[in-house]
Amino acid sequence: QSALTQPASVSGSPGQSITISCTGTSSDVGGYDHVSWYQQHPGKVPKLMIYDVSQRPSGVSNRFSGSKSANTASLTISGLQAEDEADYYCSSYISGSTVVFGGGTKLTVL
Amino acid sequence: EVQLVESGGGLVQPGGSLRLSCAASGFPFSSYIMYWVRQAPGKGLECVAYISSSSSTIYYADSVKGRFTISRDNARNSLYLQMNSLRAEDTAFYYCARDFWNPYYRHFTYGLDVWGQGTTVSVSS
Repeated sequence: QSALTQPASVSGSPGQSITISCTGTSSDVGGYDHVSWYQQHPGKVPKLMIYDVSQRPSGVSNRFSGSKSANTASLTISGLQAEDEADYYCSSYISGSTVVFGGGTKLTVL
Repeated sequence: EVQLVESGGGLVQPGGSLRLSCAASGFPFSSYIMYWVRQAPGKGLECVAYISSSSSTIYYADSVKGRFTISRDNARNSLYLQMNSLRAEDTAFYYCARDFWNPYYRHFTYGLDVWGQGTTVSVSS
């Protein structure tokens, strides 16, 4: 149950696009299409932003998109806004185990 | 309103025990996979336990296996986490969370769409 690997931090200016990567193995990210992404503002509860690699729950802005290639999933935020500044976590299903999370990425909007 | 409300956290000495509860409302609790997720101060998320809707399938993170027990009472719309042999490294905010059901493909997604506000567990002498 090793944590998925995410960059510790990313940054971008308002209006730009950024991408956060999430690297796992063929036993998790690469093996299943059950990758999710969460946004967590300081002191707040995590919010599901993407499920099943690229699907958005109702109410989530279409500025958020997800993709996957081999063992690496990615979250892209386009048209960056100040309110997007938060911590972002990926997670993946693993057969016969609990869900595994990434270590988290702090997004700074410059 | 769909809601999860945790309770039972507190300060406990190393080696002690606590039982967390999570009261669910606003959705058919008995139909959903549920989780306990924790977050240590300033750290990331860790899923510590998973339980299927009927309790037939249960998984634990290696870090808590043999010490924590997840259970549910569908008649009471409640989820539980019995924590024994607590260690300092178990200090964290504990959330209960629900698995998101994909209505189009009719499957669970292993994405957690509803979270409680959490309860704090502090293990210290």
